[in-house]
Amino acid sequence: GENVEQHPSTLSVQEGDSAVIKCTYSDSASNYFPWYKQELGKRPQLIIDIRSNVGEKKDQRIAVTLNKTAKHFSLHITETQPEDSAVYFCAASNTQGGSEKLVFGKGTKLTVNP
Amino acid sequence: KAGVTQTPRYLIKTRGQQVTLSCSPISGHRSVSWYQQTPGQGLQFLFEYFSETQRNKGNFPGRFSGRQFSNSRSEMNVSTLELGDSALYLCASSFPGQSYGYTFGSGTRLTVV
Repeated sequence: GENVEQHPSTLSVQEGDSAVIKCTYSDSASNYFPWYKQELGKRPQLIIDIRSNVGEKKDQRIAVTLNKTAKHFSLHITETQPEDSAVYFCAASNTQGGSEKLVFGKGTKLTVNP
Repeated sequence: KAGVTQTPRYLIKTRGQQVTLSCSPISGHRSVSWYQQTPGQGLQFLFEYFSETQRNKGNFPGRFSGRQFSNSRSEMNVSTLELGDSALYLCASSFPGQSYGYTFGSGTRLTVV
């Protein structure tokens, strides 16, 4: 089955710097890659996603890139702010057949220092 | 519109007991999935239901079961509770075909003592 590896497990940056989180997946049939942000004590929330027919997607300060050949995808956060501090999870899914099952990475705890 | 509602928010149970958790999806969402979240293992897939049918199941023992009703509400049941079942159980709903994004509920925090 699918396996998703996520690095680093913790990341500390200064406010205004950029942060990059990387994930690799094993199943070449995976075609959907969302990223979730989970603040302490709260539910995971979808912040951005990308499908396999797209190489890059951007939404204000966050962007995701996908390299299907290498089977890895990355989250980029620019101009980080203290409110970006949270745990970020990547996930992969093969949605063919209609399944919504997501396989998650173990998470990255991002700390943005003021 | 109302989000995904999970009840109860907190539960404390004794080893050997059983527990039922409930999830009401966003109105119109027909797909409901359940995940177990623990500090060590992260988010692990339990099951996925669509139109009252289990469409996918994760690698959990048979003590974990679920079902979905005609109004898309879902329940999961854990029998013969073990200490290791202590976790945050998250339910997520989605509308297949329109958007693949899940909306998660706030979860049920289960503590087994």
